[in-house]
This record gives sequence, structure tokens and C-alpha cells, in this order.
Amino acid sequence: DAGVTQSPTHLIKTRGQHVTLRCSPISGHKSVSWYQQVLGQGPQFIFQYYEKEERGRGNFPDRFSARQFPNYSSELNVNALLLGDSALYLCASSFSPGGVQYFGPGTRLTVL
Amino acid sequence: DQQVKQNSPSLSVQEGRISILNCDYTNSMFDYFLWYKKYPAEGPTFLISISSIKDKNEDGRFTVFLNKSAKHLSLHIVPSQPGDSAVYFCARTEGYNFNKFYFGSGTKLNVKP
Repeated sequence: DAGVTQSPTHLIKTRGQHVTLRCSPISGHKSVSWYQQVLGQGPQFIFQYYEKEERGRGNFPDRFSARQFPNYSSELNVNALLLGDSALYLCASSFSPGGVQYFGPGTRLTVL
Repeated sequence: DQQVKQNSPSLSVQEGRISILNCDYTNSMFDYFLWYKKYPAEGPTFLISISSIKDKNEDGRFTVFLNKSAKHLSLHIVPSQPGDSAVYFCARTEGYNFNKFYFGSGTKLNVKP
């Protein structure tokens, strides 16, 4: 069975641009969470979606948004990119909101 | 607001010996704690978890201990193997349906052959 997949693997943007990151959960998993991992830190929780509804939100500005599609895949959108948005963005899926989360390999975003 | 804190950024252990990774937490109620392992260029991989109603959970070479009075969590790996060399994150969940996960900053474990 395929694990969590994320695309693209790497991305380079400039300040002020917009970016969309994509995630496909493990088959059968209905919950998707997004995390930002800055070098030297642990993953920071951004959003959790379950059954296409937002179930949790971390301490991130409104420039960050996400959605979940009927097939349970998800997109993370970041507007007006800042240099500080450069990070590894991780997606995790779980069967339910409180279930063990299984992570994808991440998307490395670099903002110049 | 650091919900979970890993104070040791790195740990070096000889193969065959015990590795002890530590984590402190704050603001606990009924929580759920987890340990994840991360290799370079991969996402974190779930290792073991423990509910706050328990003191210990064991899975093969991995044992997690929870000291609620000290608000301290530890992961013991016995015996340590070179393949265990990775970054280890502790995490806790909170919120309705435990839908928010908070991770520590990680401890890099190096197991020397």
C-alpha cells in the first residue's frame, strides 16, 4: 500500500508569491494534518482536516489556508510568501482525528 | 508556548547499550503522548505511544515511561542498534478528539558500532 504522498518535493518561490502544496493520504484515512518544520525545530501544527472540515488550527497567520477534497486529498495554500516561510512542509494522515499520524516525506519550500 | 520540550539536542550511545531520550511537557490534562523517529529526507515515523492514564508502554526494544507528577516522558531503547540512529521527536495531543499535535524540537541519537 502506498504511504502518504506529497507534491512537489522541492519548490523555490520569491517573496510575495503564492504556493500550493498537495497531499494524498493513505487509502482509507479520512484525516489530513499539515505541519511546518523549520530547521532545528520539531514540526509545528498548522491545520487538521477531517471529512472535508477543518477540525484544528495552529498558531499561523491567515496567509495559510487549506482544504480537503472528497477523495480526502488536501491542499495547503500560502499567500504573500515571506522569507520565514522557508521550511519543510509535512502532511500526515490518520484514520480519525485522534489516530496515529503517518507522515509523508514533505515538501521543501525555499522563499528567496 | 512550548507544550513539549526536549532539552537534549543530541545523544551518543554505544551499540548494545541503553538509549534514554527525555521529554518534558506542560499544561496536561487527559493527553496522549507519542514518539516519532525521523531519518534524513523522510517524514517522521510513528514508534510508540502512551495514554496519560498509563505509566508505561512497551513494544519490543522500545519502552515509554510517563511520570505524571514530574510531567516527564522518556523513551528507552534496549539494546540500541546502529539503525536506531535518527532524530527522535516526542509529541502530545490535545483538543477535542485529540486533534492537535505538538512536537518537541527533537533529539538526534547516534548509536556507535
